[in-house]
Amino acid sequence: GEDVEQSLFLSVREGDSSVINCTYTDSSSTYLYWYKQEPGAGLQLLTYIFSNMDMKQDQRLTVLLNKKDKHLSLRIADTQTGDSAIYFCAEGRSGGYNKLIFGAGTRLAVHP
Amino acid sequence: DTEVTQTPKHLVMGMTNKKSLKCEQHMGHRAMYWYKQKAKKPPELMFVYSYEKLSINESVPSRFSPECPNSSLLNLHLHALQPEDSALYLCASSQIGSVADTQYFGPGTRLTVL
Repeated sequence: GEDVEQSLFLSVREGDSSVINCTYTDSSSTYLYWYKQEPGAGLQLLTYIFSNMDMKQDQRLTVLLNKKDKHLSLRIADTQTGDSAIYFCAEGRSGGYNKLIFGAGTRLAVHP
Repeated sequence: DTEVTQTPKHLVMGMTNKKSLKCEQHMGHRAMYWYKQKAKKPPELMFVYSYEKLSINESVPSRFSPECPNSSLLNLHLHALQPEDSALYLCASSQIGSVADTQYFGPGTRLTVL
């Protein structure tokens, strides 16, 4: 199947770390992506990870991939109010155009 | 430059109107995409153009008609829409056959059908 699953809501205190989790089903996925969507806006690419990698770090963002369990996570360090948004994980297979399969999105709420 | 632009930002139309949504990118990407996003849902793929040719039509009703006049532009022509077609319409573009084929999204057009 092509299901990508995410928890729907996460609430964190400002300054804490946020961890958003995602599971996918297609072991042939080549890349896994994290997108951020603020209210009324388009999708902003945050980061992506190649399926043969375990971890990728980019400033406050850390992506962990457990290929055996088909589990992907996004950790945001020192979460700020500006991080409040919906976060979508997506799996894709390269080769020609790239059809993305999106999860339902996790709404991150950051409170003081 | 990783910018995809979309016009208009907002569009209100009646069910008998004909309107068009426009999308433009200057990143040299040869794949362009239309997505529809309803509130509190992920984007749903509608169409994919690859080298200016329609590659994927995800069983979209014919009242939506895509067009790719050149490698930088993508249009979505709308005619006889229904109120349930009200949504955020997102355009995206990507390389073809590169390392990640990452899709870059525009800000979207918020469409309301009365």
